[in-house]
Amino acid sequence: QVQLVQSGAEVEKPGSSVKVSCKVSGDTFRSYAFSWVRQAPGQGLEWMGEITPVFRTTDYAQKFQDRVTLTADASTSTAYMELSSLNSEDTAVYYCARRGHEYSSPQPNDAFDLWGQGTTVSVSS
Amino acid sequence: QSVLTQPPSVSEAPRQRVTISCSGSSSNIGNNVVNWYQQFPGKAPKLLIYYNRLLPSGVSDRFSASKSGTSASLAISGLQSEDEAIYYCAAWDDRLNGPVFGGGTKLTVL
Repeated sequence: QVQLVQSGAEVEKPGSSVKVSCKVSGDTFRSYAFSWVRQAPGQGLEWMGEITPVFRTTDYAQKFQDRVTLTADASTSTAYMELSSLNSEDTAVYYCARRGHEYSSPQPNDAFDLWGQGTTVSVSS
Repeated sequence: QSVLTQPPSVSEAPRQRVTISCSGSSSNIGNNVVNWYQQFPGKAPKLLIYYNRLLPSGVSDRFSASKSGTSASLAISGLQSEDEAIYYCAAWDDRLNGPVFGGGTKLTVL
């Protein structure tokens, strides 16, 4: 059974950076894209960007373009999201989510069919 | 402010039918498919409907969805208390070049 397993909760100071991992358990990256979606307390879902490791491509939401870096390590099937210049508004649960297909490139209409359990990032002085 | 518009909440009695609307524009729903997600408190979202109306394996056929123009809707029939959750619509946005979500609709089964 394929799962996305994320790293544990983080507490960070304003101005610092955080790096969250998402390991594909039970499979490899294949041709899937891995997005990062965050959810502030009591709020909705917000897409931050995605990486398609096999094609070595990344796309970022304009809002996060300057502060987020997505990387991936194929040898461990682990994707990473690093967010810099943290402020209190970055306090949220961060999810990785898979979309696309096993053997072909992801398409815009592909849904997020698998989600990680979420990682809580708290930013406080 | 979410790109897609959903009612914040809906409620209905057990065994009844409820619909949740999702409104967008030509750059998202009007030109792309709609996917729906279900989220329970403290849990990750789960794919409920994809490609406008298709059910992933294991999802009850009490759930159905449709799309028309720049709007979509999710219907849940034979409501059960276990359906209480927040439901999100989502679609690719051609202008933003990424997926966008609705603000979520909290379903209460009375």
